[in-house]
Amino acid sequence: DSGVTQTPKHLITATGQRVTLRCSPRSGDLSVYWYQQSLDQGLQFLIQYYNGEERAKGNILERFSAQQFPDLHSELNLSSLELGDSALYFCASSFSPGGGDPHFGPGTRLTVT
Amino acid sequence: QKEVEQDPGPLSVPEGAIVSLNCTYSNSAFQYFMWYRQYSRKGPELLMYTYSSGNKEDGRFTAQVDKSSKYISLFIRDSQPSDSATYLCAMSALNAGGTSYGKLTFGQGTILTVHP
Repeated sequence: DSGVTQTPKHLITATGQRVTLRCSPRSGDLSVYWYQQSLDQGLQFLIQYYNGEERAKGNILERFSAQQFPDLHSELNLSSLELGDSALYFCASSFSPGGGDPHFGPGTRLTVT
Repeated sequence: QKEVEQDPGPLSVPEGAIVSLNCTYSNSAFQYFMWYRQYSRKGPELLMYTYSSGNKEDGRFTAQVDKSSKYISLFIRDSQPSDSATYLCAMSALNAGGTSYGKLTFGQGTILTVHP
């Protein structure tokens, strides 16, 4: 158990819908990262927050957004969902903004039908 | 061309074998290297990380980095059926302060099966 929690574990929704994925980092970690894992693209970095502020941005679509709250939990919002958004979404956390060795949560499996 | 290349395998070995997993990379800014293990339908689990060229050992695992060749390896000694998983290499650049940027670039992962 990495100490990173993610909810929900599974999510099935229809195209065009909007969903919110939630992540709680390990106790004491200030940085949160979001990654998407699909069969064809592998693990892709989406976005990083450090202590409430956006720190780095990767291949995140404009339909996706994220935020980190004062209690350090983070939410990833996915809107206007498409079939191609079906993937595993992982949250990871670390203490420093530099990342060091991020520890990953169990993931949320999103299926868009 | 991808920044990080990893042979997807699959790799099948008998119990007790020495396993060698490899990644090559093209971005010379990568200075921080990690290996993750991912069981089916689970999150990646950090196994090893290192900044420097050379070897780092932890139990049955040895991580090797050759920055001049842009090549990293993970060796697993006395492999066990419980080692059956997907192994992912990951890398990041260092910032001016000498710590890692948070963004990791992953290889595609190598599927390993250790059979009894």
